[in-house]
Amino acid sequence: AQSVTQPDIHITVSEGASLELRCNYSYGATPYLFWYVQSPGQGLQLLLKYFSGDTLVQGIKGFEAEFKRSQSSFNLRKPSVHWSDAAEYFCAVGAGSGNTPLVFGKGTRLSVIA
Amino acid sequence: DAGVIQSPRHEVTEMGQEVTLRCKPISGHNSLFWYRQTMMRGLELLIYFNNNVPIDDSGMPEDRFSAKMPNASFSTLKIQPSEPRDSAVYFCASSLAGGRGEKLFFGSGTQLSVL
Repeated sequence: AQSVTQPDIHITVSEGASLELRCNYSYGATPYLFWYVQSPGQGLQLLLKYFSGDTLVQGIKGFEAEFKRSQSSFNLRKPSVHWSDAAEYFCAVGAGSGNTPLVFGKGTRLSVIA
Repeated sequence: DAGVIQSPRHEVTEMGQEVTLRCKPISGHNSLFWYRQTMMRGLELLIYFNNNVPIDDSGMPEDRFSAKMPNASFSTLKIQPSEPRDSAVYFCASSLAGGRGEKLFFGSGTQLSVL
């Protein structure tokens, strides 16, 4: 069965510090992997996605993620966090065909302190 | 493009009442998904449609939940009768099927509170 695990429920970082959010997945075929961000009271917005090629993918807002097949991981990183990055972050896996659903992790809430 | 439009944004109702949530997908998208978000369970898929046809409704929690997609531009999720445990944020998402790495576009959600 497909599943996504985000081990960290809540992370707090200082503004300007680096960030890494963890994501592990279980999927029976070649996975398509996504990171979404949800600001309070809003829907989910796509940060980046991976489906082939370079295992390090760049996204919006300065985020990047690295796919590691051997570890079944797709961790999200940012070198320097801004206060506006405070939000909920969701990792998701799916077939990527558009007509099948994504399976989401439970999310990691990011707090940013001065 | 207006994006995925959901209404209402907030719904407060009493236990036992019927609740109808509405969704207008992005024009041209042919797949539509209903998710429910709670603190305990995160984002759960309730049901999804391809070309207006329900494909998998195994995530619908009970017979009290039903969803329809009468045409390509409109879908409803109905709860009858509603219960306090149905309180959650309900998201609708749409996508264009047939591509590779196609992403879901989400609406802003409906915050449902059942008292």
